[in-house]
Amino acid sequence: GNSVTQMEGPVTLSEEAFLTINCTYTATGYPSLFWYVQYPGEGLQLLLKATKADDKGSNKGFEATYRKETTSFHLEKGSVQVSDSAVYFCALSDRDDKIIFGKGTRLHILP
Amino acid sequence: KAGVTQTPRYLIKTRGQQVTLSCSPISGHRSVSWYQQTPGQGLQFLFEYFSETQRNKGNFPGRFSGRQFSNSRSEMNVSTLELGDSALYLCASSLAGSPYHYEQYFGPGTRLTVT
Repeated sequence: GNSVTQMEGPVTLSEEAFLTINCTYTATGYPSLFWYVQYPGEGLQLLLKATKADDKGSNKGFEATYRKETTSFHLEKGSVQVSDSAVYFCALSDRDDKIIFGKGTRLHILP
Repeated sequence: KAGVTQTPRYLIKTRGQQVTLSCSPISGHRSVSWYQQTPGQGLQFLFEYFSETQRNKGNFPGRFSGRQFSNSRSEMNVSTLELGDSALYLCASSLAGSPYHYEQYFGPGTRLTVT
């Protein structure tokens, strides 16, 4: 079945550091891929998405590229801010329309 | 435009009781999905309703059920509560019943504690 594996957290970085959160997936078809972010006390918000191979999703300085050859969708940001502290979820949706989430990676940014 | 609202935000129940959670989607959204979030299992899909019909279902026991009304509002019911049902229950709505194509908007969740 479909699955998503993302790096364990927590990840702690200093402000302005470069961020990478790894995400790999297993899917039988050609899924859409997503990154969601959950701030403390809130629900999830869609951060970015990519619907086909080689697509790059981007939003708020975050980027992720759909790599079919490595079945990966790593999240990157060039310079993180304290306000980026949150839990980040990688997810996929296949044509059965269910969304499968990774377990989440907690990110702490130190001022 | 108002976001997805969930009521109540917090709930404490005892084992064996039942509980009903409510979700009001964004106006115009016809699809509502429910998720259970726990530290151990992460986010797990419960079910999705579209136009008052259950379109998709996750791997949860029959104690978990839901329904959707004609105004797209949805309720989720858990009967015979167990300690392991303690979780954050998230509701998400989207324009159409296809997360493959459409963005899902999440509510803040209902925190259920079973004692």
